[in-house]
Amino acid sequence: GAGVSQTPSNKVTEKGKYVELRCDPISGHTALYWYRQSLGQGPEFLIYFQGTGAADDSGLPNDRFFAVRPEGSVSTLKIQRTERGDSAVYLCASSSLGVNTEAFFGQGTRLTVV
Amino acid sequence: DQQVKQNSPSLSVQEGRISILNCDYTNSMFDYFLWYKKYPAEGPTFLISISSIKDKNEDGRFTVFLNKSAKHLSLHIVPSQPGDSAVYFCAACSLRNAGNMLTFGGGTRLMVKP
Repeated sequence: GAGVSQTPSNKVTEKGKYVELRCDPISGHTALYWYRQSLGQGPEFLIYFQGTGAADDSGLPNDRFFAVRPEGSVSTLKIQRTERGDSAVYLCASSSLGVNTEAFFGQGTRLTVV
Repeated sequence: DQQVKQNSPSLSVQEGRISILNCDYTNSMFDYFLWYKKYPAEGPTFLISISSIKDKNEDGRFTVFLNKSAKHLSLHIVPSQPGDSAVYFCAACSLRNAGNMLTFGGGTRLMVKP
């Protein structure tokens, strides 16, 4: 596709449930990022993939959060045993990397844990 | 500890006048700075960037100024248009970090009145 696509746009889940959020990056972009934006704040880095491997997962808040990118394209962010504090907009971005190349963001998935 | 701060949560400007959005950072490792614009229910879109080797970058109505000694950057929009009304995020990264992960400020909501 022309841009970064994220599905679903909105997800409401009950506390304790498991959720998966999907990101389809721009074709050919080797770098993929997940960010989380809580209400009234800027996006916060979660994890970065270079190809299939998670090159930096230092932003993941705890071990309930996990992400994969098995074929180096689509990525899935997985959250186990969701908590109300996980409610936020989860943003995916992709980049071709190199010097001075910006990341392109998807529209985000708004996750609400009730 | 917020490494990138936007101290003004909102700014209101008359159409045709200049909008000045400010951003401060604390991490001296940051050497590349970006501004993103965000409309409701959309992901952030890249606006303009500046490398730490420059003190000014201009693109049409948008100019970013960087003052490294003060660890301060600003975005000037002139003339401001109603379509510029959005939330603006300042972001920073270190190009020495292989992934170029972005650290965002909290955002400034710009309202341009017709």
